[in-house]
Amino acid sequence: EADIYQTPRYLVIGTGKKITLECSQTMGHDKMYWYQQDPGMELHLIHYSYGVNSTEKGDLSSESTVSRIRTEHFPLTLESARPSHTSQYLCASSELDSRSYEQYFGPGTRLTVT
Amino acid sequence: KNQVEQSPQSLIILEGKNCTLQCNYTVSPFSNLRWYKQDTGRGPVSLTIMTFSENTKSNGRYTATLDADTKQSSLHITASQLSDSASYICVVSDRGSTLGRLYFGRGTQLTVWP
Repeated sequence: EADIYQTPRYLVIGTGKKITLECSQTMGHDKMYWYQQDPGMELHLIHYSYGVNSTEKGDLSSESTVSRIRTEHFPLTLESARPSHTSQYLCASSELDSRSYEQYFGPGTRLTVT
Repeated sequence: KNQVEQSPQSLIILEGKNCTLQCNYTVSPFSNLRWYKQDTGRGPVSLTIMTFSENTKSNGRYTATLDADTKQSSLHITASQLSDSASYICVVSDRGSTLGRLYFGRGTQLTVWP
């Protein structure tokens, strides 16, 4: 099993609250990613990072923000949660070239905004 | 438009039976194709990776095929077990970007009944 961790695993929170989803990996990977996945749908890339102090937006527009202060840590923050943010959020990491190297996924955070 | 289509959307089989899942893609230029297994409430885990020159690759009871000319792949599961119940996701990588962009299918939800 991959050494990539996400907390919390499940979160139910009210509208307007600020939340941070944690992701950490112990494999020393430079590249990290955040995906959003709704039931029966494909994964959508919302953020990625090439390394420390590097963050980029993905294909799916998201109101969330990310930071990469340490190689092993890639938290995702929602300043004001809304019901439309209800989804599963998956964090992943890979060695520099994800075309050649596998992306390792964390177990995901299931977020419900009421 | 780069897309990955999987069929069937869902499949129910009896324990011990074989099954084949299909993946068609339009991603170009093609780099590689992976099959991932995603258990409920978990992150995807890679089963196989196929590059342009590979036609068949096996991983235990899982055998993946790739026809790069017709842009089709299949995942064959032999002697299914209850633990095979999961979503199987086809993921295609392009080689036209520095990120190594991944394109995800929506997955085939496989249920194995005793």
